[in-house]
Amino acid sequence: KQEVTQIPAALSVPEGENLVLNCSFTDSAIYNLQWFRQDPGKGLTSLLLIQSSQREQTSGRLNASLDKSSGRSTLYIAASQPGDSATYLCAVKNQGGKLIFGQGTELSVKP
Amino acid sequence: NAGVTQTPKFQVLKTGQSMTLQCAQDMNHEYMSWYRQDPGMGLRLIHYSVGAGITDQGEVPNGYNVSRSTTEDFPLRLLSAAPSQTSVYFCASSYSGGANTGELFFGEGSRLTVL
Repeated sequence: KQEVTQIPAALSVPEGENLVLNCSFTDSAIYNLQWFRQDPGKGLTSLLLIQSSQREQTSGRLNASLDKSSGRSTLYIAASQPGDSATYLCAVKNQGGKLIFGQGTELSVKP
Repeated sequence: NAGVTQTPKFQVLKTGQSMTLQCAQDMNHEYMSWYRQDPGMGLRLIHYSVGAGITDQGEVPNGYNVSRSTTEDFPLRLLSAAPSQTSVYFCASSYSGGANTGELFFGEGSRLTVL
C-alpha cells in the first residue's frame, strides 16, 4: 500500500530564506507526483507536476525534484516571502490510478 | 474561467438526513473525484470517475453514492448523514485518469457539519 510522508509537519522561517520541503513515498511505481498549495479555508492549487520520467520541474521561485528509486521528492522555495505562508502537500499518482496525498507541511514565513 | 465549482460551500445537517454535494467542471475533463479532508487524516479519496457512466470506489466510500451521467457533473450523495461525515469535501478533476493525467484541479470545498 502506497504511503506518502511529509516532514516536517510545520516549518517557520524568516523572510528571504531558501527552504526545502520533503516528501517521501513507499512504492516507486508511480505515474507522477504533484505539489499543491493550500491556503486556510481554501481548496488546493497545483504548483508543479512531475511525470515519472522527469527529474525536476521549475516554476518561478519553485523547483521540485523527483528521485523515484529512493522514493523522494523535494520542493525548493527560493527567497521565501510572507505570501508563501500556506500548507504544502505532495501527492503521488499510483499506477493503479489513485492519487495518494501526504499530510502536508505548514509553512510560516515571518517578515 | 470557472474551473471546478462546488455547491453548497457550507451545510449543516441533522443525523439521518440526506443531501447532495454538487460538483461541476467546465474544462472537459474525463477524470473527476471526491475527497474529504479531516484534521490529522489528510485528504482521503471517496469516489472517482474516469468518464461519463463510469465510477469507482476510493479509500472511504461507505455512506456515499456518486453518479456520472455527464462529463461536466459529478454529484456526491450522502444517504443518511452521520456525525462521522462532518468534514470538508473537495471535488477535483483532471484531463484523464490514466498515466498522462495532467494537473489535478480542485474546487473551493464544501464544509459539512452533521449534528
